[in-house]
Amino acid sequence: DAGVTQSPTHLIKTRGQQVTLRCSPKSGHDTVSWYQQALGQGPQFIFQYYEEEERQRGNFPDRFSGHQFPNYSSELNVNALLLGDSALYLCASSLVTDNQPQHFGDGTRLSIL
Amino acid sequence: DQQVKQNSPSLSVQEGRISILNCDYTNSMFDYFLWYKKYPAEGPTFLISISSIKDKNEDGRFTVFLNKSAKHLSLHIVPSQPGDSAVYFCAASISDSWGKFQFGAGTQVVVTP
Repeated sequence: DAGVTQSPTHLIKTRGQQVTLRCSPKSGHDTVSWYQQALGQGPQFIFQYYEEEERQRGNFPDRFSGHQFPNYSSELNVNALLLGDSALYLCASSLVTDNQPQHFGDGTRLSIL
Repeated sequence: DQQVKQNSPSLSVQEGRISILNCDYTNSMFDYFLWYKKYPAEGPTFLISISSIKDKNEDGRFTVFLNKSAKHLSLHIVPSQPGDSAVYFCAASISDSWGKFQFGAGTQVVVTP
């Protein structure tokens, strides 16, 4: 039973570029949430996708956007990268109907030069 | 606006003794609380949760206590084991916004022999 998988593991970009991160949820899960974890901080909620729509959003600018596909996998896109976007990006999945804790992937480490 | 706070960035405890991790929150709407454990280079893994209708939940060596009037929760680990050395995150959610979790900054626990 595959857990949450994220790709790539590491990524280096420069300021102003755009990046796409990918997430496959745990088998049987239909909801995907994205978090940003800066060094020394806890994960910060970016947004959540269910039924291919953004259902909830945290305090992140429009440069952060996402998508969910019919197979429940998801992408996080960040445009016009800033140095402050350097962080670990975590994907978490859950089943909307059972209010159970989310399962997290191991994250994508994004470094902006 | 940090609504969930873990004021102790680190904790050192001897093997076999009790570890007590604390977490405070400011939003009285939170009604579900979780603890996650995170090893380096891995995503957070769920440890234990508690609903606001309870004041205690126990699972093996782990017990979470909730004091709603003080907006405070704690995690007790008894007895502490070397494998418990990790970063522990407290998280809170509102049931109507399931999946949008607010995390604390984490507490690094080191269990020494």
